[in-house]
Amino acid sequence: AQSVAQPEDQVNVAEGNPLTVKCTYSVSGNPYLFWYVQYPNRGLQFLLKYITGDNLVKGSYGFEAEFNKSQTSFHLKKPSALVSDSALYFCAVRDSSASKIIFGSGTRLSIRP
Amino acid sequence: EAGVAQSPRYKIIEKRQSVAFWCNPISGHATLYWYQQILGQGPKLLIQFQNNGVVDDSQLPKDRFSAERLKGVDSTLKIQPAKLEDSAVYLCASTWGASAEQFFGPGTRLTVL
Repeated sequence: AQSVAQPEDQVNVAEGNPLTVKCTYSVSGNPYLFWYVQYPNRGLQFLLKYITGDNLVKGSYGFEAEFNKSQTSFHLKKPSALVSDSALYFCAVRDSSASKIIFGSGTRLSIRP
Repeated sequence: EAGVAQSPRYKIIEKRQSVAFWCNPISGHATLYWYQQILGQGPKLLIQFQNNGVVDDSQLPKDRFSAERLKGVDSTLKIQPAKLEDSAVYLCASTWGASAEQFFGPGTRLTVL
């Protein structure tokens, strides 16, 4: 069975500092991995994905994520945080051989000025 | 390109009443998803359609929830009768392929009193 975990409910970072939001997963086959962001009273917006190829993927708004197969992780990163990055972030995984996508419980990112 | 449309945006009903939500996916997207997002949690898949066929409805409470996707385009999700624990945001999403990201609508916030 596939699963995804976001171990931190909240991450607090000062503006200008690097940020990391953690995600680990479990699938039986090859993973398709996604990051989404949700602003208040809005639907989820796609940030980036890993399907195959380079382990470091770049996405919207300066975010990037690194796929680590041995650690089964797909952490979201940004070199310099902005206050406007404050939002709820969801990691999602899909087994390449299955149809269902599973979302993590979410991490609230708070960037202080 | 127009995004995923959902209506209504908000709905308040009494328990045991019925309610229906509507979704219009992005043109050309064969796969449509309905999710339930309870406050503080990640989206939980209720049902997935491929064109007008059901791919996965394993987490749909079929005694009270139903969904259809006539002609493989628009979709409706119905709850009858509603319970207090159905209070949540109902998100619709669509995608064109298994490895592609999902595009989410703004959601319908349901409050059951």
